Amino acid sequence: EIVLTQSPGTLSLSPGERATLSCRASQSVSSSYLAWYQQKPGQAPRLLIYDAASRATGIPDRFSGSGSGTDFTLTISRLEPEDFAVYYCQQYGSSPPITFGQGTRLEIK
Amino acid sequence: EVQLVESGGVVVQPGGSLRLSCAASGFTFDDYAMHWVRQAPGKGLEWVSLITWDGGSTYYADSVKGRFTISRDNSKNSLYLLMNSLTAEDTALYYCAQESTFGGVIKDWGQGTLVTVSS
Repeated sequence: EIVLTQSPGTLSLSPGERATLSCRASQSVSSSYLAWYQQKPGQAPRLLIYDAASRATGIPDRFSGSGSGTDFTLTISRLEPEDFAVYYCQQYGSSPPITFGQGTRLEIK
Repeated sequence: EVQLVESGGVVVQPGGSLRLSCAASGFTFDDYAMHWVRQAPGKGLEWVSLITWDGGSTYYADSVKGRFTISRDNSKNSLYLLMNSLTAEDTALYYCAQESTFGGVIKDWGQGTLVTVSS
């Protein structure tokens, strides 16, 4: 089973700043089958990115994903107030089982 | 619009059983694999189980294998999770989730149903 480790655990930034979130896999993720989700308090997760770099429908272009192999990154180019949330990476290259990272909390500084 | 509505979450005693249901609408249910994903209070996401579009194959996390059974009724656009031998570690919000056509990516989520295992 592939273990995903996200860093940092918490990221404190201000609106307008750039956010860089990391997701590292314990072994190579096949075909870059990695997704990113956003979860706000009291809400279900929302798909942001799939196949490491493809934006899901309706996701603003300030969200971008990159990486391959074992190292992946979610970048938010200019933070909007509504972007402060918890972000999870998920691999599906060797699914099932699919596995999630433990999450990165993006908070307002 | 995709709608996934979970039900069946209650307070149950350790060792007890429970069946969760998920009513799906807004898409062709039998075209898609479906998942259950859970989230313990204040914790991260944990994948629980997957069933293929026709119910022909099922998969489980090690933490629930042998205790939980996923099933679906395509004639009723419904997904189920039968949970046996429940422990406190099963306390969580259980999400019903639709897999995308990309395979393994979860496209849409319900709002969840809360299962609490407590005496």
